[in-house]
Amino acid sequence: GNSVTQMEGPVTLSEEAFLTINCTYTATGYPSLFWYVQYPGEGLQLLLKATKADDKGSNKGFEATYRKETTSFHLEKGSVQVSDSAVYFCALSNQAGTALIFGKGTTLSVSS
Amino acid sequence: GAVVSQHPSRVICKSGTSVKIECRSLDFQATTMFWYRQFPKKSLMLMATSNEGSKATYEQGVEKDKFLINHASLTLSTLTVTSAHPEDSSFYICSARAPRGDETQYFGPGTRLLVL
Repeated sequence: GNSVTQMEGPVTLSEEAFLTINCTYTATGYPSLFWYVQYPGEGLQLLLKATKADDKGSNKGFEATYRKETTSFHLEKGSVQVSDSAVYFCALSNQAGTALIFGKGTTLSVSS
Repeated sequence: GAVVSQHPSRVICKSGTSVKIECRSLDFQATTMFWYRQFPKKSLMLMATSNEGSKATYEQGVEKDKFLINHASLTLSTLTVTSAHPEDSSFYICSARAPRGDETQYFGPGTRLLVL
């Protein structure tokens, strides 16, 4: 079946540190891949997405590249800010119109 | 951008009562909406897929008679938790699929339900 595995948190970093949150997936066919972010007390917001192999999604300094050979979609940011503290969810959609399959989420805490 | 709202944002109710949660797509029509439940420090669990004008499709283990879903229009889906019990306390989140050609789902801000 389809599944998403992301690294366990929490991830604690100092401001301006480099961030990597690993995400790997299992799916049949060619899924679309997403990163969603949930700030404290808020709903999920789409951070970035990629719909085919080798695509790179980017937004707000975050990047993730769809790697079919390693079935991965790792999230990276070169310099995190305190305001990036949130829970990050990796997700896939294996068919248009179907629900997303989420990883368990990774909590990021950035201190100044 | 696509905006999804939920109402109420927070509700406290007594055990045995029913609670209705609304999910609206504000600036687009959504033929399909999804209802998720999020437990503390856990990922989102899909409860059901709500299709406008037809019956919802429930995930295995979700009681359809307890979690009633109605998708009466292209911009509104409702989730009614019937005869709520403390174990139903959770964070309920809806999402709406963007118009045709975009697989992105847009999420509502969630509803915190506390059953006493």
